[in-house]
Amino acid sequence: AQTVTQSQPEMSVQEAETVTLSCTYDTSESNYYLFWYKQPPSRQMILVIRQEAYKQQNATENRFSVNFQKAAKSFSLKISDSQLGDTAMYFCAFMTQGGSEKLVFGKGTKLTVNP
Amino acid sequence: GAGVSQTPSNKVTEKGKYVELRCDPISGHTALYWYRQSLGQGPEFLIYFQGTGAADDSGLPNDRFFAVRPEGSVSTLKIQRTERGDSAVYLCASSNGLAQDTQYFGPGTRLTVL
Repeated sequence: AQTVTQSQPEMSVQEAETVTLSCTYDTSESNYYLFWYKQPPSRQMILVIRQEAYKQQNATENRFSVNFQKAAKSFSLKISDSQLGDTAMYFCAFMTQGGSEKLVFGKGTKLTVNP
Repeated sequence: GAGVSQTPSNKVTEKGKYVELRCDPISGHTALYWYRQSLGQGPEFLIYFQGTGAADDSGLPNDRFFAVRPEGSVSTLKIQRTERGDSAVYLCASSNGLAQDTQYFGPGTRLTVL
């Protein structure tokens, strides 16, 4: 079974600075997908970024980028130029390719951006 | 109204009662998912529909939980003989059914069992 571990329950960062959220996962699969979702107090999960394991290039979406280390089974999220609206829970998630379409989530990291 | 919607937003019930939670997916999305998020935890998979059929129901915790999607659009999650441990936020997501497509989530239903 796949597992996802987020070792930082809470983090904080000053507005305009950069922060990195950690995620590690355990799987015996070679083909899979990784995701970061944001969950603000409204509860609605919003996709931040996704990475296909077969792609060596790290995914980037505006101020959000990932550092994907397949051998180390690590998938960290870097947020640059942090904004107050980035305050939320962030969840790392895993999906096997070719199997069930279910997402396996970590426990989340609560990020607070301070003015 | 392009997003996933869920009703009710909040539901309070008594132990032993029956509840139904509704999910309206994004129009045209063939795949629909239910997850349960307990306090302080990440969402946990319950069931996945492709069209009208349950493609994977391995996450349903026991036979008190059941979900249907009779016309391949709206889905209802049904919980019989509710227990206090069923209290959680129930999230629904949909996707266009292509392999490993992005799942778009609704705002969830917070269920409280007294």
